[in-house]
Amino acid sequence: DTAVSQTPKYLVTQMGNDKSIKCEQNLGHDTMYWYKQDSKKFLKIMFSYNNKELIINETVPNRFSPKSPDKAHLNLHINSLELGDSAVYFCASSQEMLSPSFWSNEQFFGPGTRLTVL
Amino acid sequence: AQKITQTQPGMFVQEKEAVTLDCTYDTSDPSYGLFWYKQPSSGEMIFLIYQGSYDQQNATEGRYSLNFQKARKSANLVISASQLGDSAMYFCAMRGGGETSGSRLTFGEGTQLTVNP
Repeated sequence: DTAVSQTPKYLVTQMGNDKSIKCEQNLGHDTMYWYKQDSKKFLKIMFSYNNKELIINETVPNRFSPKSPDKAHLNLHINSLELGDSAVYFCASSQEMLSPSFWSNEQFFGPGTRLTVL
Repeated sequence: AQKITQTQPGMFVQEKEAVTLDCTYDTSDPSYGLFWYKQPSSGEMIFLIYQGSYDQQNATEGRYSLNFQKARKSANLVISASQLGDSAMYFCAMRGGGETSGSRLTFGEGTQLTVNP
């Protein structure tokens, strides 16, 4: 049973194309995230959704548009891909609201999607 | 703003020995949580251990323990009896309570641990 799944695992595409990455969690969590891991392995938050509502939107180009059709899914659509978008993108989820131990809420990560822009 | 610093880009340890991975943090939030994640070469992120800012005792999870020194703002990970499978990248992360931080995790740069046989 995969807790947080992402598709595809690998994505190779040309500059200028539009692509999407899908994420699903079956943990019943109410909050989902997108993180980007660059070539130096640095991880940084991009977006966070709580119950389908956007709550964190970091300084990310507006070519990146997250969409949450329901609280179990958070997809990432990227328009006009650039070379600098090449990275590993991780989806994560956690339970935030009505949680007795807010600070300890572990974020569960998906396996990552390695995006390569040629 | 929150900041996590891991000053050891790479660490080496002999199998069966203990190793300490350093992590210091900076935050103005009175309440926060500190996490360690492991990322093996296969790429997945694996949660290891958590320490809350108000926890009186250091966290332990099997061979992992967290040396939490609040006054020094450090949260070092100690791995006892290292195994070859411990070779991986280790990330320290923090979540704070400020309105601007929300529920995000702020990560350090990571430490690449290599366990030698």
